[in-house]
Amino acid sequence: DAKTTQPNSMESNEEEPVHLPCNHSTISGTDYIHWYRQLPSQGPEYVIHGLTSNVNNRMASLAIAEDRKSSTLILHRATLRDAAVYYCILTSSGGSNYKLTFGKGTLLTVNP
Amino acid sequence: EAQVTQNPRYLITVTGKKLTVTCSQNMNHEYMSWYRQDPGLGLRQIYYSMNVEVTDKGDVPEGYKVSRKEKRNFPLILESPSPNQTSLYFCASSSRVRQPQHFGDGTRLSIL
Repeated sequence: DAKTTQPNSMESNEEEPVHLPCNHSTISGTDYIHWYRQLPSQGPEYVIHGLTSNVNNRMASLAIAEDRKSSTLILHRATLRDAAVYYCILTSSGGSNYKLTFGKGTLLTVNP
Repeated sequence: EAQVTQNPRYLITVTGKKLTVTCSQNMNHEYMSWYRQDPGLGLRQIYYSMNVEVTDKGDVPEGYKVSRKEKRNFPLILESPSPNQTSLYFCASSSRVRQPQHFGDGTRLSIL
């Protein structure tokens, strides 16, 4: 199964941009890249996803490397509410295995 | 309101006493999944279901059973719970496996 690798933790200051990296060197051509985050004492929530092109939504931007072996979640202006664990996962559209592996994620700390 | 509902939210029980955690979604989603979350290990998938009567193992299926008799419900069954199943459990659903998942609020199980 394709796996992802993320730093254990990152730190940012409030109102500054944050770039959260994810490596997925064994990604297959049909795997989508999804990002979720989990705020303290809450269930995970969807942030953004993409296949090949960069994606933007109201929460964040997703930059996908040309070879798709890595991606970066961009929070344009971090707020204290963005402090969470961020998970990068791959989802397949083909084959018979639809298992999802979340990994340990990146703990983002936002300083006031 | 679109939601995934888990019950109970909290449960303390004893080793060997069968229990069921219910999960219901009102979004007509095809894909449903159960995760457990333990400190330092992130989210790990237990079982998933592509549709009614179609279920498969995730990363940590041992000691658990699931069923998908109706599209909206995906109960997690612990036939003979043991202390190593003490954990925080999340149910999630999505329209298809590649689509964003909606998570429930979690069920905290303590097996004594």
